[in-house]
Amino acid sequence: TQLLEQSPQFLSIQEGENLTVYCNSSSVFSSLQWYRQEPGEGPVLLVTVVTGGEVKKLKRLTFQFGDARKDSSLHITAAQPGDTGLYLCAGAAAGNNRKLIWGLGTSLAVNP
Amino acid sequence: GAGVSQSPRYKVTKRGQDVALRCDPISGHVSLYWYRQALGQGPEFLTYFNYEAQQDKSGLPNDRFSAERPEGSISTLTIQRTEQRDSAMYRCASSLLAGGAQLIYNEQFFGPGTRLTVL
Repeated sequence: TQLLEQSPQFLSIQEGENLTVYCNSSSVFSSLQWYRQEPGEGPVLLVTVVTGGEVKKLKRLTFQFGDARKDSSLHITAAQPGDTGLYLCAGAAAGNNRKLIWGLGTSLAVNP
Repeated sequence: GAGVSQSPRYKVTKRGQDVALRCDPISGHVSLYWYRQALGQGPEFLTYFNYEAQQDKSGLPNDRFSAERPEGSISTLTIQRTEQRDSAMYRCASSLLAGGAQLIYNEQFFGPGTRLTVL
């Protein structure tokens, strides 16, 4: 069974601080996605990483896929209250890209 | 808007009743997924379809849960003889996934969910 472990589970920081969220597995994924979910809404895709070692930037967010495609990280620089939400990683199951394996999520609160 | 829609948004039922949750995916999307999500946690996979074919139902908790997508568009998740432990947010998602190179970019678009409460 493929599992994705996310850490930390909860994070409360002050505006302007940096943070990193980790997503780890013992399994190899063909691709990995990061989603953000706001209260009362469904998850919304932020980025998909495909190549081992790949780094993608989305404004203040930096996403990295591990060289072995087993782990990923999301780094937020100078967090803002608007970054508050649930961050989810999801990996495309080996041999079946149509089914995603989801992490449990990191609940981020950025305080003004 | 042309997003994923779900109905009803809220459903309160009594234990033992059957419920049917509906999902209307984005037009043209091949794949449709059903998830259950606890507050503050990631989605728990239930089942998914490609067109009208149910590809994987390994996440359905037991045989009281079933899903169909008879014409490859709208899908219904049915829970028979509901129990209090079935209370949750049920989310539907769809993705384009036409195959080939697009296969690795399985962006899933989520609906607003149905909040089910079993009394």
